[in-house]
Amino acid sequence: DAGVTQSPTHLIKTRGQQVTLRCSPKSGHDTVSWYQQALGQGPQFIFQYYEEEERQRGNFPDRFSGHQFPNYSSELNVNALLLGDSALYLCASSLPGLAEMDTQYFGPGTRLTVL
Amino acid sequence: QKEVEQNSGPLSVPEGAIASLNCTYSDRVSQSFFWYRQYSGKSPELIMSIYSNGDKEDGRFTAQLNKASQYVSLLIRDSQPSDSATYLCAVPNSGYALNFGKGTSLLVTP
Repeated sequence: DAGVTQSPTHLIKTRGQQVTLRCSPKSGHDTVSWYQQALGQGPQFIFQYYEEEERQRGNFPDRFSGHQFPNYSSELNVNALLLGDSALYLCASSLPGLAEMDTQYFGPGTRLTVL
Repeated sequence: QKEVEQNSGPLSVPEGAIASLNCTYSDRVSQSFFWYRQYSGKSPELIMSIYSNGDKEDGRFTAQLNKASQYVSLLIRDSQPSDSATYLCAVPNSGYALNFGKGTSLLVTP
């Protein structure tokens, strides 16, 4: 049973560039959430996708956008990269069900470095 | 802003001892609570979830929940050096998002 997968593992970009990160959810999961984790901090919620729609969004600027495909995989796009966007980007998937009971399982993450 | 608070540590315990990790949360209506373990450079791994007041045991791990005090804890019995990691407490925020604490760093010394 494949778990959550993410690509790429590492990425180095320069300020002002754009980046796309990819995620495939755990088998049977239809909901994908994205988190940003800065060094020494807990993960911060970016947004969640369900049925190809953004269902909830955290406190992140519009430079952060996403997409979910019919096969439930998802992309996170970040435009006009800033130095402060350097972080570990985590994708988590969950089973359908009662919202607050859904357990989220994390992928290995993508380490983004902005120079 | 709904908060999840954890002592950042580091918490140092000798091998074989009980490690006690604590978390408080501000949202009184929260119904589910999660503990994740994160090794350095890796992603969070789910250890325990708890939904009801009281204790929930899974192997060497016990989660304790007190909704009246808005307090959830994780006990690790017979701590091993391989338990050395950062432990993250997470509480759902407005239904779908997980709101994480900053994590407690645990060091188990041989």
